Amino acid sequence: DQQVKQNSPSLSVQEGRISILNCDYTNSMFDYFLWYKKYPAEGPTFLISISSIKDKNEDGRFTVFLNKSAKHLSLHIVPSQPGDSAVYFCAASASTGGFKTIFGAGTRLFVKA
Amino acid sequence: KAGVTQTPRYLIKTRGQQVTLSCSPISGHRSVSWYQQTPGQGLQFLFEYFSETQRNKGNFPGRFSGRQFSNSRSEMNVSTLELGDSALYLCASSPEERLGYNEQFFGPGTRLTVL
Repeated sequence: DQQVKQNSPSLSVQEGRISILNCDYTNSMFDYFLWYKKYPAEGPTFLISISSIKDKNEDGRFTVFLNKSAKHLSLHIVPSQPGDSAVYFCAASASTGGFKTIFGAGTRLFVKA
Repeated sequence: KAGVTQTPRYLIKTRGQQVTLSCSPISGHRSVSWYQQTPGQGLQFLFEYFSETQRNKGNFPGRFSGRQFSNSRSEMNVSTLELGDSALYLCASSPEERLGYNEQFFGPGTRLTVL
């Protein structure tokens, strides 16, 4: 039962353009969402998060949007840079679920120069 | 501050053997979680320890176990290895009690290959 789904295994974007990575969740109890980035041979690193009381959070080139009614969140990267090429994981947690974090399968982003 | 360290980085075992992986969290972090990463499956939650107590457990068979020591270092053990246990095992630490509400800091992982 995949509670957090990233339906696009990969995404290719031209340098300078916008990258949009999508994530859907099924558990309405999730109230905190995070994005992690992972380079090969390294562990994931935290990128940005959003609480369910917000619908947008921005940090530099990275913005996360949350649509609770659709149980959908997205990560926008503007402008995309070749160094952004990595696997991006969406994650969610519920304050009533023992706080364990559920991760999606990841989306591999390729930013072409 | 040193990051999360995991040893060994690579491991090759044969079916039926057992293995122990080690994780040293960032100094001061009391929560340690373990994840299994396989292609197409993302990070599957194994278990989480806080102050030597297992607080959460994922849906893995009892062959997977772990523990945490008083210095917050953690080990996970897999007994009677199966081919399907081949994966990258990631350890993550967090400074807060509310695990899911805070970013986790991941180690580089241990790549386990079962032959």
